[in-house]
Amino acid sequence: ETGVTQTPRHLVMGMTNKKSLKCEQHLGHNAMYWYKQSAKKPLELMFVYSLEERVENNSVPSRFSPECPNSSHLFLHLHTLQPEDSALYLCASSQAAVGPYNEQFFGPGTRLTVL
Amino acid sequence: GQQVMQIPQYQHVQEGEDFTTYCNSSTTLSNIQWYKQRPGGHPVFLIQLVKSGEVKKQKRLTFQFGEAKKNSSLHITATQTTDVGTYFCAGRANTNAGKSTFGDGTTLTVKP
Repeated sequence: ETGVTQTPRHLVMGMTNKKSLKCEQHLGHNAMYWYKQSAKKPLELMFVYSLEERVENNSVPSRFSPECPNSSHLFLHLHTLQPEDSALYLCASSQAAVGPYNEQFFGPGTRLTVL
Repeated sequence: GQQVMQIPQYQHVQEGEDFTTYCNSSTTLSNIQWYKQRPGGHPVFLIQLVKSGEVKKQKRLTFQFGEAKKNSSLHITATQTTDVGTYFCAGRANTNAGKSTFGDGTTLTVKP
């Protein structure tokens, strides 16, 4: 238990569905991250938030829409996904996004399957 | 942009053999972190190295940071089946706005 929780743990959705992934951290951290993990790309950084402000968006398609309402919560809104978006989506948090104390604590992930 | 490369991609060893994974950065790093992901699990932070030439040990694991702060290695002595998993390095760029970039990982399997 790392202090980072993710829900749901498994999600199956059709290409026309809209769903959201939720991440919550109980560590008092200021930075939160979304990663996509697939066989093709082991750890692909998608978004970084620092103090609720998006500081990085790694050319992610607009069908993925992040939201960070406060420093403890991070969402990933999904709509009109493609089968190739099926992957494990990992959330992580760190004390800061930059600087020497940015070791990341990962949640258990959401296993997403797009049919 | 900054690139972090890890080799080998896969390593299969017999239990009791040693294992080493190498991490190389295209730019000088401020620090390097190592993570382990067990099969079916999520990455877990192992250690951070900051100083040039630094060596740290955790039981059978030895972590090194190169003198030029552009490469690092993780060595496991006498592997056990509990060592299986994927080992990732993450290098932080040597700038004020430096963020960490993950390598693609080395997946270790151990035959009992």
